[in-house]
Amino acid sequence: AQKVTQAQTEISVVEKEDVTLDCVYETRDTTYYLFWYKQPPSGELVFLIRRNSFDEQNEISGRYSWNFQKSTSSFNFTITASQVVDSAVYFCALSEVNAGNMLTFGGGTRLMVKP
Amino acid sequence: ETGVTQTPRHLVMGMTNKKSLKCEQHLGHNAMYWYKQSAKKPLELMFVYSLEERVENNSVPSRFSPECPNSSHLFLHLHTLQPEDSALYLCASSSGTGTWEQYFGPGTRLTVT
Repeated sequence: AQKVTQAQTEISVVEKEDVTLDCVYETRDTTYYLFWYKQPPSGELVFLIRRNSFDEQNEISGRYSWNFQKSTSSFNFTITASQVVDSAVYFCALSEVNAGNMLTFGGGTRLMVKP
Repeated sequence: ETGVTQTPRHLVMGMTNKKSLKCEQHLGHNAMYWYKQSAKKPLELMFVYSLEERVENNSVPSRFSPECPNSSHLFLHLHTLQPEDSALYLCASSSGTGTWEQYFGPGTRLTVT
């Protein structure tokens, strides 16, 4: 079974729409970390956020917000008022203490924002 | 700019060639990583170096040989590759191999003919 599942392989929205990217993870560790990365067409992954398993407080950074819910093992990412520059592939990742803290990535969600 | 550079950005090589990919980080980090990203699979961790020592080798074929001469440089030596090795190879670095976020380079797009 995949440890990190991003069920949405591709999402297309029109500019200014809000969009939520889903991430569901699986772990037996009580201590773990979750990450979101953005991969624009240029190729490099850009770090967006890190969240530890003891901090379920939601976070907002500009138009970006993250909803972490341990009860459903989800760490969803919402972009408010999407822009064309948000078009990219977004990856959710899990780091488990008992797995040597190595990152396990989900399959990614390709977001296309149309003008 | 992420502070992690990779060269070359694109590489085409035959199955009998030997080539090397280079990664350099300007962030003062102690850990460096090689990942493979292909169309059919999620990002796959290949190798991890911490303080210039290899700490992870994720069952990678021996035709891929990493080298980390110092904490700022990482190489991936390639020889007798197969067409299925064609992929985007990404380098990353982090402050440590713990739960630190990793910073990625732009990748080398490798095509094996």
